[in-house]
Amino acid sequence: DGGITQSPKYLFRKEGQNVTLSCEQNLNHDAMYWYRQDPGQGLRLIYYSQIVNDFQKGDIAEGYSVSREKKESFPLTVTSAQKNPTAFYLCASSRGLAVPQYFGPGTRLTVL
Amino acid sequence: GQQVMQIPQYQHVQEGEDFTTYCNSSTTLSNIQWYKQRPGGHPVFLIQLVKSGEVKKQKRLTFQFGEAKKNSSLHITATQTTDVGTYFCAGGNNRLAFGKGNQVVVIP
Repeated sequence: DGGITQSPKYLFRKEGQNVTLSCEQNLNHDAMYWYRQDPGQGLRLIYYSQIVNDFQKGDIAEGYSVSREKKESFPLTVTSAQKNPTAFYLCASSRGLAVPQYFGPGTRLTVL
Repeated sequence: GQQVMQIPQYQHVQEGEDFTTYCNSSTTLSNIQWYKQRPGGHPVFLIQLVKSGEVKKQKRLTFQFGEAKKNSSLHITATQTTDVGTYFCAGGNNRLAFGKGNQVVVIP
């Protein structure tokens, strides 16, 4: 069963704690992405990676960090430096840049 | 960076009626893609247009890419309650840029 998985679906954390969101794909895609979605804001790109051990900042990278040690995995850490971390986080993958992206089910993060 | 603008941002559509949503870019795009996100769900890829003036149909949905490859439209006929959701366009050359989406509410 091919696709992208994100876990957990819902996540609650206390303010000041770092939290890592998981994203795994078995589509053999080279590129992976993290987006943040807030009501009325569309999709905002946090980080993306075109290849293992390489990644680039997107439009709103401050307060976030990523790693790409394996082709299948692209975890996102929301650090305590992110001022407003409560949001819906979506991971996506694609064969390359500027081609169709396939999204995971998302993680809803609530920071209390 | 490259920006893609969508209009309108919100639409209320009576069941059975037709509607159109638009996507515009200030620069020429190599391709345009459309996605649909159901309430509470994640974006799902619908279609990609590559050629100038290209028109593609999926049942009641008609997608069009402008002659100058700077704009696109999605037209839905005979709207059904299953059409509810947010429709995103995404365009790019080196990297995809997503529009803010058109949230569609269907009135039964």
